[in-house]
Amino acid sequence: KAGVTQTPRYLIKTRGQQVTLSCSPISGHRSVSWYQQTPGQGLQFLFEYFSETQRNKGNFPGRFSGRQFSNSRSEMNVSTLELGDSALYLCASSGTGTISDTQYFGPGTRLTVL
Amino acid sequence: AQSVTQLGSHVSVSEGALVLLRCNYSSSVPPYLFWYVQYPNQGLQLLLKYTTGATLVKGINGFEAEFKKSETSFHLTKPSAHMSDAAEYFCAVRGPAFGNKLVFGAGTILRVKS
Repeated sequence: KAGVTQTPRYLIKTRGQQVTLSCSPISGHRSVSWYQQTPGQGLQFLFEYFSETQRNKGNFPGRFSGRQFSNSRSEMNVSTLELGDSALYLCASSGTGTISDTQYFGPGTRLTVL
Repeated sequence: AQSVTQLGSHVSVSEGALVLLRCNYSSSVPPYLFWYVQYPNQGLQLLLKYTTGATLVKGINGFEAEFKKSETSFHLTKPSAHMSDAAEYFCAVRGPAFGNKLVFGAGTILRVKS
């Protein structure tokens, strides 16, 4: 099976712009989660989607949003970019979305905000 | 607040020596426990997880971890380090005490000396 894919892998934006990141889960997986990884804050949970519904959400401002499509693919959007949004954004998928289920991670999208 | 702590942001061992990476969680109810590894410019790969059953869990690449409820710990070990083990290791927990989100420790960078 193909793994989790994320596009694009690298992105450079300027402050105030918005950005959309894409994630394709492992075939058959219905749950997709997003994480932000920075040197200062480490790995932080953004949100989780299951069957097109947001099931859980982390402590991020409303500028961060996401959605999931009927084919389980997911996108996250960050509006009005700030310098502090520079990070590696990781997507993970799991089959059933139960809390004991293994999450499989993609390679990430590295976002640089100038 | 519930948390997961990895003792030591950097650990250095000689090739062939024992690897011991420490992880403790704080919650009255044991969560599900995971160890992930991240190589440079890559996503996270699951090494092993504990959900229920036997407290000694064997994972990939010769790693294992033991869940000790009384010590609220889930330390990762490998009897003999290999150069290819150099990477960053993350302990993660998930459960009702953590909002059912996957919560990561700060990570431990493992260096293997020849």
